Amino acid sequence: AQSVSQHNHHVILSEAASLELGCNYSYGGTVNLFWYVQYPGQHLQLLLKYFSGDPLVKGIKGFEAEFIKSKFSFNLRKPSVQWSDTAEYFCAVNRGSGNTPLVFGKGTRLSVIA
Amino acid sequence: DVKVTQSSRYLVKRTGEKVFLECVQDMDHENMFWYRQDPGLGLRLIYFSYDVKMKEKGDIPEGYSVSREKKERFSLILESASTNQTSMYLCASSLPRGGEKLFFGSGTQLSVL
Repeated sequence: AQSVSQHNHHVILSEAASLELGCNYSYGGTVNLFWYVQYPGQHLQLLLKYFSGDPLVKGIKGFEAEFIKSKFSFNLRKPSVQWSDTAEYFCAVNRGSGNTPLVFGKGTRLSVIA
Repeated sequence: DVKVTQSSRYLVKRTGEKVFLECVQDMDHENMFWYRQDPGLGLRLIYFSYDVKMKEKGDIPEGYSVSREKKERFSLILESASTNQTSMYLCASSLPRGGEKLFFGSGTQLSVL
């Protein structure tokens, strides 16, 4: 079975600091990779996704993620965080070849302080 | 604007009650999913459906069942609610392709007393 590991449970950063959230998955075949964000009191929404092509994908609000196949990783980055980035971030994966459900990681809570 | 609507935002039930959580999507999506979200555990898949009257067990189906009589509606049923089913329940839908994103509802916070 697939699994997704997010390395950090809670990350605290000051505004303008750089962000990198780790994500590793266990499936060895073709995969689709996603990062979702949940702002306080809001529903989950898609930040970015990778399914083929350029392994560096850019999403909304200045976020990007890099797919490194050899490391089974899809880390999320942002060069300079803002207070409004305070949220919970979830990495998710499903198999690329068919219609299969997403498997989510346990999430990383990001707190950005002024 | 596309929508996944869950019937209740907050729900309080007693142990042993039968509980229905309703979800409706207006995007004509084939796929629908029920997840539960717990602090520190992320989202765990309970059941999913790829078509009307079709259902598949997810990772944690015990104590739950589902119904999909119409394409737009996917119901989660707790046959006999227990306190360990206190959780946030999230419904989602998507198109039937591997790289398609999920559209989520706002969630139902269920408390079982």
